[in-house]
Parts: sequence; C-alpha cells; structure tokens
Amino acid sequence: GQNIDQPTEMTATEGAIVQINCTYQTSGFNGLFWYQQHAGEAPTFLSYNVLDGLEEKGRFSSFLSRSKGYSYLLLKELQMKDSASYLCAGDSWGKLQFGAGTQVVVTP
Amino acid sequence: EAGVAQSPRYKIIEKRQSVAFWCNPISGHATLYWYQQILGQGPKLLIQFQNNGVVDDSQLPKDRFSAERLKGVDSTLKIQPAKLEDSAVYLCASRTGTGGIDEQFFGPGTRLTVL
Repeated sequence: GQNIDQPTEMTATEGAIVQINCTYQTSGFNGLFWYQQHAGEAPTFLSYNVLDGLEEKGRFSSFLSRSKGYSYLLLKELQMKDSASYLCAGDSWGKLQFGAGTQVVVTP
Repeated sequence: EAGVAQSPRYKIIEKRQSVAFWCNPISGHATLYWYQQILGQGPKLLIQFQNNGVVDDSQLPKDRFSAERLKGVDSTLKIQPAKLEDSAVYLCASRTGTGGIDEQFFGPGTRLTVL
C-alpha cells in the first residue's frame, strides 16, 4: 500500500499558526486531500491539491510537492473551534487512502 | 441539499451476532463508499460502488462482511458474525463520480460496539 505519515498530535495557542506535514510514497496518487474531523463527527472536506504548489482558502492553505511526496496543511489565526483531527488522504482515481490523522489541540 | 444519511447512529451487539447498517447517499451521487474507522486511526476503505456495481472490495473481509447497492441508490453493509475487533465507526461517503476531481461527502457514521 501507499503509506501516509503524519504527526500524531500538535498543540498550539489561539491566534497562532500551525503546519501539519504529511508524507507519502511518490507513486500511485493523483492528488492529496485534507479533511477535518471533530470528535464523534464525520470528516469534512478542507482542500485538494493535484498540482504542485499552494492552494489558499481563507485561514487554511495546503501545499503539495509531488516529486517529494510531501504535503502540508497550514492553519492560520487558530481558533478554539479548530481543535480537531486533520486527515491527510491520497487520492487514487476516486479512492482515498487516509493517514491516521493529526490531533490539533488549540489552547487559550 | 440533504447530506449523506446513515442509520442507526449507534449499535451495541454481542460477538457472533449479526448487524446491518444503512446508507442513503446525496441525491445524484453515483459513487458510494463504506469505510471502517477504528478509534485513533484514519478511515479505511471497505468497498466502493459505482451505481450498483462494485468497483473495489479488496479490503472487505468477505468471510463476514457483505454489502449491496441494488438499485444504485441506498446501500447496506452487513456483518455476520461480528467479532470484537469489528468495534469501530462505519462511515458511508458519496461523490458525484461523473469524472474529474470532486470531494467525498461523509455521513455521520454508525458507531458499533461488539461485546
């Protein structure tokens, strides 16, 4: 399979910036999805990268380097409601393979 | 627009019993997925349907799990007999599946506890 690795947990202060890294094997994926999942809820879509570079959507940005098998999700101006698990997922023709998720804890 | 619906939301059974989950995808979505999410892990794909046909069931434990989508809309996932390690949240997701890049929309999930 295509291993997807991301840190288990990150802690940051309200108003700060946090960067969640995701690495994967370089072959087999068409692009990279990021999903947010609050405890006890379903994952919700945040962003998708198919080309190298940065995609910006409000306070969230996602970056992809296909040659390096590397992506990151940048969360700016952190709010308490951003405390959640962030899932990196490789897309292979409509099939997603998820990492284990990074639990982000936002503290006051 | 109504989202992906799933029922029941919670289910507690004893090992060796049977259980079934139901999913109604977003109207018009051709592709439907069932995922298993064990606590502390990311969702793992069990089966993918395109309309009423199976696209990928390579990770479905076929000795105990079965799924169908007879009319290309609703889907059911069944476990018979259940084992302790089947305790997880079962997520259903759908996407338009008409080509191109589009995200999957997830239902609220069914939390299964096997005792």
